[in-house]
Amino acid sequence: QVQLVQSGAEVKKPGASVKVSCKASGFTFSNHYMHWVRQAPGQGLEWVGAISPTGGRTYYARNLEDRVTVARDTSTTTVYIEVSSLRYEDTAVYYCLREIIEAGKAFDYWGQGTLVTVSS
Amino acid sequence: QSALTQPASVSGSPGLSITISCTGTNSDIGYYNFVSWYQQHPGKAPKLMIYDVSDRPSGVSNRFSGSKSGSTASLTISGLQAEDEADYYCSVWTDNSYVFGTGTKVTVL
Repeated sequence: QVQLVQSGAEVKKPGASVKVSCKASGFTFSNHYMHWVRQAPGQGLEWVGAISPTGGRTYYARNLEDRVTVARDTSTTTVYIEVSSLRYEDTAVYYCLREIIEAGKAFDYWGQGTLVTVSS
Repeated sequence: QSALTQPASVSGSPGLSITISCTGTNSDIGYYNFVSWYQQHPGKAPKLMIYDVSDRPSGVSNRFSGSKSGSTASLTISGLQAEDEADYYCSVWTDNSYVFGTGTKVTVL
């Protein structure tokens, strides 16, 4: 079965960086775009970024592209997101997602989420 | 890219139907047929309910249906059940990025 298992919660100080991982299994990892979405406490969903199946292309939300890096390791079927220069407003649950390939554009599987807290 | 506009809350009685709207622009919903809907229960990850405007993934109840007219997409839940009480988000793919809606809290009376 398809599984996306994310790393554990993180607490970071403002200005620091955080790296969250997402281990994929149960499907052909190199066939799918992988994405990250975040959700601040009590707020809605925000698309953060994505990486192509081979890792050759990345896409980022315009308001975050200077501070976010998405990468993937095909050998370990793991996708990563790193957020630098953390701000209080980066506090959120970060979700790893798989994009469907059979038709159109949507996210058919989500990781369990990783809470990143930015606090002094 | 601005968030898509959804009503903050919608409610309905068990067995009846409700519709959630999702308003975008001519550049996103009005242009692309890549509208999807997600259901999120408290403390849980969202779940895909509808993709490509009106297609249902395997395992999703046929009580959920989607449609689009111009720059507004809609999700209809028929035969409302207690388990449908959750937050719902629309989303659209546009030009190598995704935009989500503001979210709608569905309450079953």
